[in-house]
Amino acid sequence: DAGVIQSPRHEVTEMGQEVTLRCKPISGHNSLFWYRQTMMRGLELLIYFNNNVPIDDSGMPEDRFSAKMPNASFSTLKIQPSEPRDSAVYFCASSHGATDTQYFGPGTRLTVL
Amino acid sequence: GENVEQHPSTLSVQEGDSAVIKCTYSDSASNYFPWYKQELGKRPQLIIDIRSNVGEKKDQRIAVTLNKTAKHFSLHITETQPEDSAVYFCAGYYGNNRLAFGKGNQVVVIP
Repeated sequence: DAGVIQSPRHEVTEMGQEVTLRCKPISGHNSLFWYRQTMMRGLELLIYFNNNVPIDDSGMPEDRFSAKMPNASFSTLKIQPSEPRDSAVYFCASSHGATDTQYFGPGTRLTVL
Repeated sequence: GENVEQHPSTLSVQEGDSAVIKCTYSDSASNYFPWYKQELGKRPQLIIDIRSNVGEKKDQRIAVTLNKTAKHFSLHITETQPEDSAVYFCAGYYGNNRLAFGKGNQVVVIP
């Protein structure tokens, strides 16, 4: 198995632009998680899906952030409009069940200028 | 909600010595505690985990112990090697299946 796949690996954009991050979970995993990692705040859970349904989005910082999971093999995290404080590494993780081991993707390093 | 405390700090050890990292948690209903290792510029990777029905688990040079009464769990690395240098995160699950991470401990193994 290729593991969790994320794209792009690096993204540099200007303030105000829309950013879309993509994730393909491990095949057969039913739960998908989006995390944000910064030096100041560590690893924060933004949202997670179970069987493609958003279960808990209380970690989404504000309305500029949105996430979708249209099918079991694809999810997106969108930031519109982006701001410099959104600069971070965004990880996607998946697990077989909601409380099973989570496997992380390689992350997307986002820089908003 | 769950609060997993892991004071951010750097732990420096001589190669071959042992390293111990401790975390505390607040939700007594938590029943699963994974440890992740993150090397510089890479993704967090699970190295060991423990469920609340056991007190200790070992995997080669790594072990995790759980004290449910005191609500803390620890990671033990024996015979440390340079490749053990990384940031280690503890985590715990709470009520609505959220995984809460500690802030991480930087382990530096000095050759």
